[in-house]
Amino acid sequence: DSGVTQTPKHLITATGQRVTLRCSPRSGDLSVYWYQQSLDQGLQFLIQYYNGEERAKGNILERFSAQQFPDLHSELNLSSLELGDSALYFCASSVGLAGVLGDEQFFGPGTRLTVL
Amino acid sequence: KNQVEQSPQSLIILEGKNCTLQCNYTVSPFSNLRWYKQDTGRGPVSLTIMTFSENTKSNGRYTATLDADTKQSSLHITASQLSDSASYICVVIPYSGAGSYQLTFGKGTKLSVIP
Repeated sequence: DSGVTQTPKHLITATGQRVTLRCSPRSGDLSVYWYQQSLDQGLQFLIQYYNGEERAKGNILERFSAQQFPDLHSELNLSSLELGDSALYFCASSVGLAGVLGDEQFFGPGTRLTVL
Repeated sequence: KNQVEQSPQSLIILEGKNCTLQCNYTVSPFSNLRWYKQDTGRGPVSLTIMTFSENTKSNGRYTATLDADTKQSSLHITASQLSDSASYICVVIPYSGAGSYQLTFGKGTKLSVIP
């Protein structure tokens, strides 16, 4: 158990709908990262927040948005869902800015989103 | 564009055998390289972290090597076990003086260990 929690574990919805994925980082971690992993694809970095502020942006679609709240939990909002958005969405957390040696990223169990 | 290429895409080995997974990258400048293990449907778990100045790093039966000159890394698994069946992901972190890092992930090698 990494200490990172994600809810819900599974989510099934229809095209055009909007969903919210939630992530609680490990105690003491200030950074939260969101990743998308489609079937047989590598992890795609979406966005990073550090202590409530957006820090880095990857290949995140305009239909997707995220935020980190004062208690450091984060939410990823996906709107106008398309079939191609079906994927595993992972949240990770780290103490500071992962990439700095010694600052490890810990991944949550993921949310499996299925868009029908 | 920073890229990480892994080979082979998939691999099947017998329990007890050794294997080596490859990672080639074009990320530059380079801060550190990590290998992760991802069980099906689970989040990745870190195995090793190496800076550009390190040649090798071990974690139990897992040994990672790095050649920063040729931009190649390998992950060697010794005496494989059924529980080693997973995807192994190479992650390269570029150096950024701004203090914000975007990890670049390979697509992974899917390893199946069979009895």
